This record gives sequence, structure tokens and C-alpha cells, in this order.
Amino acid sequence: DSGVTQTPKHLITATGQRVTLRCSPRSGDLSVYWYQQSLDQGLQFLIHYYNGEERAKGNILERFSAQQFPDLHSELNLSSLELGDSALYFCASSVGSRDRNEQFFGPGTRLTVL
Amino acid sequence: AQSVTQLGSHVSVSEGALVLLRCNYSSSVPPYLFWYVQYPNQGLQLLLKYTTGATLVKGINGFEAEFKKSETSFHLTKPSAHMSDAAEYFCAVSHTGRRALTFGSGTRLQVQP
Repeated sequence: DSGVTQTPKHLITATGQRVTLRCSPRSGDLSVYWYQQSLDQGLQFLIHYYNGEERAKGNILERFSAQQFPDLHSELNLSSLELGDSALYFCASSVGSRDRNEQFFGPGTRLTVL
Repeated sequence: AQSVTQLGSHVSVSEGALVLLRCNYSSSVPPYLFWYVQYPNQGLQLLLKYTTGATLVKGINGFEAEFKKSETSFHLTKPSAHMSDAAEYFCAVSHTGRRALTFGSGTRLQVQP
């Protein structure tokens, strides 16, 4: 158990809908990262937050957004869902924003878009 | 830009045999290198990491990796495979100024009895 929690574990929805994925980092961790794992794209970085502020963006679609709240939990919002958005979404946390800090991964949310 | 190449999407070894999973990276600045393992229906668990210092890095579960700058490689090895090592393994890179991980495509390790 990494100490990172993600809810829900599974999510099934229809095209065009909007969903919210939630992540609680390890106690004391200020950085939260979101990654997408799909069969065709592999593991891709989406976005990084540090202590409530956006720090970096990766291959995140404009239909996707995220935020980190004062209690440090983070939410990833996916809207106008398409079949291709079906994937495993992981969040990871680390102590700070230092580059060397290892990232601890949550169990993931499996999103299925029908 | 940085990238990671993992040679061999599937590797099969016999129980007790040497495990060798290959990883090559491309980075214009000194890299930080990681190996993660993913068991079915689970998240990623860090096996080991190289940041600076000793180039031979020991990790959990008997795994180790050696950073070879001249070869831009960070291959993962284990002297004797166990059935419990069957999983998918990911090599990843980051560096100063880019904290997010860039992952390779993964290698699925199968261990035969």
C-alpha cells in the first residue's frame, strides 16, 4: 500500500459525459501528478500540481482539467468523453517539487467509456 | 526532449534463471532513472532509482540496475527469477526541470516453472 488513494476504482460512462476522478496523496506529500495508461499510448504524464499550484502540463487534452485543493487532494475532470478516453488513470504523489523525489502511485481508476 | 526505449515487450525466463530487462534513455541533461513494477490490477511500485553517485543501484526484491552513461543504458537485472517476479516492468526518466516521469513502453516478464 503506497498510501495514495484514488476513487472510484472503476467508472463506466457514456460518450459525451463528464466524470471526476479523485486522488488523496500520502500524508505530507505536496506534489500530485496525474498519468494516463492506455494500450495504444502507454503511460503518459498529464499534469503536475504542487501545493495547490499547477506546475507542469504534459499531454493533457483541453477537455481535461485538474485542480489541487487546500487539503492537498486533487481531482481530475474529464469532459465530453470519447471512446478513446478509456484508460487507467493514476495519480502519484511525492514529498516536494524536487526532481529526485520518488513518486508513489495510487491503485488507479479504470475508466470505461461506452 | 527525453525518451525511454525498452527492448523486448515480452521476456520469458525459467525460475532460477537470470533476469535481464533492457532500458535505454535519451536525455540532453543528466537523467534521473527509475524502474517501476506493475502487478495485475495494481498501481506502480518503485523498484529502484538512480539520481547521482554510485552507478550500481540495488533495489527491492533482489533487483539491481547499473547506470552506464556511455551506453545511455539502465538495464535491470536479478540473478535468480522467482515466480512472484512475473509482472510488467517500466523504466522511466526525469531530470532537473522536468519532474514528471517519462516512461518506456514496458516489458512483461513471464517466469516459467
